[in-house]
Amino acid sequence: AQSVTQLDSQVPVFEEAPVELRCNYSSSVSVYLFWYVQYPNQGLQLLLKYLSGSTLVKGINGFEAEFNKSQTSFHLRKPSVHISDTAEYFCAVSVGEGNTGKLIFGQGTTLQVKP
Amino acid sequence: GAGVSQSPSNKVTEKGKDVELRCDPISGHTALYWYRQSLGQGLEFLIYFQGNSAPDKSGLPSDRFSAERTGGSVSTLTIQRTQQEDSAVYLCASSPGTSRLETQYFGPGTRLLVL
Repeated sequence: AQSVTQLDSQVPVFEEAPVELRCNYSSSVSVYLFWYVQYPNQGLQLLLKYLSGSTLVKGINGFEAEFNKSQTSFHLRKPSVHISDTAEYFCAVSVGEGNTGKLIFGQGTTLQVKP
Repeated sequence: GAGVSQSPSNKVTEKGKDVELRCDPISGHTALYWYRQSLGQGLEFLIYFQGNSAPDKSGLPSDRFSAERTGGSVSTLTIQRTQQEDSAVYLCASSPGTSRLETQYFGPGTRLLVL
């Protein structure tokens, strides 16, 4: 069964510092990986996705992630965070037979950016 | 254009009552998904629609849960005889097509509290 593990439930960081949110997946088939962000009392918004090609994926708001097949990881990074990046971040893998695209999510990582 | 909308935004009900949650997807989106977000279980897939049919209902937790979609647009998730463990945020998402490659666009969710 496919699964996603986010290794840190909370990540506190000071403003303008770099951050890495870790995500590992298990899958026996080709993977499509996503990072979503959820701001308080809002739905999920796509940050970036890996489908194929270059393993370094750039997303919105200065975030990027690197797909590493040998380590089955898809860590999210930002070189300098802002207060406004405080939110919950979810890593997800697209599963399903044929063309069904249901997502399996990790447990989420709360990013707390401190001034 | 308009995003995914859900109603009501909040719902408080008594144990044993039935509730209906509504999702209006982005116009023209073929696929529609329901997920549940709860403190203990994280984000879980419930059901997926392709047009008006539901090829994957594997995430529905019990036969008290059902969903339908009409006209290839609006979807309703119904929970009968609600239990306290049904308390959660119910999220709806839609995507242009049914492929695993597609981005899912999420609504703001309905927060359900069962007393």
